[in-house]
Amino acid sequence: DIQMTQSPSSLSASVGDRVTITCRASQGISNYLAWFQQKPGKAPKSLIYGASSLQSGVPSKFSGSGSGTDFTLTISGLQPEDFATYYCQQYNNYPYTFGQGTKLEMK
Amino acid sequence: QVQLVQSGAEVKKPGSSVKVSCKSSGGTFSTYAISWVRQAPGQGLEWMGGIIPIFGTADYAQKFQGRVTIIADESTSTAYMELSSLRSEDTAVYYCARGLGGKIDYWGQGTLVTVSS
Repeated sequence: DIQMTQSPSSLSASVGDRVTITCRASQGISNYLAWFQQKPGKAPKSLIYGASSLQSGVPSKFSGSGSGTDFTLTISGLQPEDFATYYCQQYNNYPYTFGQGTKLEMK
Repeated sequence: QVQLVQSGAEVKKPGSSVKVSCKSSGGTFSTYAISWVRQAPGQGLEWMGGIIPIFGTADYAQKFQGRVTIIADESTSTAYMELSSLRSEDTAVYYCARGLGGKIDYWGQGTLVTVSS
């Protein structure tokens, strides 16, 4: 199975900040990488697919990049509603695997 | 607008089975993959398997092989996930999710399955 490793596991930031979360795959996955946002007690929400393409309705403050094994999610101009847990997922090979999550907390 | 509506919470005894449904509305059902993802309390997301209804055969994570069955009923636009030989470690929220080519765009609301004697 492909292992997905996110860093950091937790991140403290302030409203208005720009933050970056990284995700590393244990082997190359081309650009078959997605990012999800999850708030407590809620289902995940799809943000990005294909490493850098925004899902419909997702604001442009979210951006993704990378290919192969190294990927990043950047969130600009943090707002209170952005504080959540973020997961990456590879869908290049079965089983599709997720990173362990990055909890973004308000400073 | 696509909606995935899942069945309600379940409490099951160890060793029993649970079947969770996921009804799709507002979009094409047959050609989109339905994945099942679970989340144990306080833990991350875990992909269990998926199916493309028009093809009918499911793919499963090795971890769940032999214990999980995923099927899809095109006539009712509903997918099902059945997990057998339940143990306490299977206590989790189970999500269905829809997508094309592996990428997920919509999620169900989740179904809490509690395994307890």
